[in-house]
Amino acid sequence: KQEVTQIPAALSVPEGENLVLNCSFTDSAIYNLQWFRQDPGKGLTSLLLIQSSQREQTSGRLNASLDKSSGRSTLYIAASQPGDSATYLCAAASHMEYGNKLVFGAGTILRVKS
Amino acid sequence: NAGVTQTPKFQVLKTGQSMTLQCAQDMNHEYMSWYRQDPGMGLRLIHYSVGAGITDQGEVPNGYNVSRSTTEDFPLRLLSAAPSQTSVYFCASSYLNSQLLYEQYFGPGTRLTVT
Repeated sequence: KQEVTQIPAALSVPEGENLVLNCSFTDSAIYNLQWFRQDPGKGLTSLLLIQSSQREQTSGRLNASLDKSSGRSTLYIAASQPGDSATYLCAAASHMEYGNKLVFGAGTILRVKS
Repeated sequence: NAGVTQTPKFQVLKTGQSMTLQCAQDMNHEYMSWYRQDPGMGLRLIHYSVGAGITDQGEVPNGYNVSRSTTEDFPLRLLSAAPSQTSVYFCASSYLNSQLLYEQYFGPGTRLTVT
């Protein structure tokens, strides 16, 4: 059974700092790994989606890496801003004939102080 | 496109009551799913559907029913509400993109309290 763990559970950093959020998964037979952002009281917004054969994906100040062999993914946020404050969730997806099942970590609550 | 919509946004039920959480999407996605999110835990899959008329159980299906009569709608029914079902419920839809990756879209959630 796939289990996803995110460390740290909460992180507080000053504005401008570069930071790394960690995600680990127990079953390396994943189809893809996805990082989401969740603002308080809101739904989830997809940030980055990495296929199992890829090593990393980048979008603006965000970079996500994937190492299947070690069961790890990291989300790197460069030059953090107060607007980055949110909960960040990673999810490992297993493949089905249609769609996919996501197993989520509990999330990292990020606070960027101005 | 409205994306994925959910109603109601908030609901309070008494133990034993039943209700239906509504979910609709206007993106013609075949795959839809329901998750619940509890404090300190990640989202957990309740039920999912791979197309109209086809549904299956996820990780935590007990106490919930689903049906999928159209591509657009995927309602979640609570048969007899229990305090353990107090949670935030998210509906999602997805499709396979050109890179053969499933792109997921989530609704804003329904916050349910069972007293």
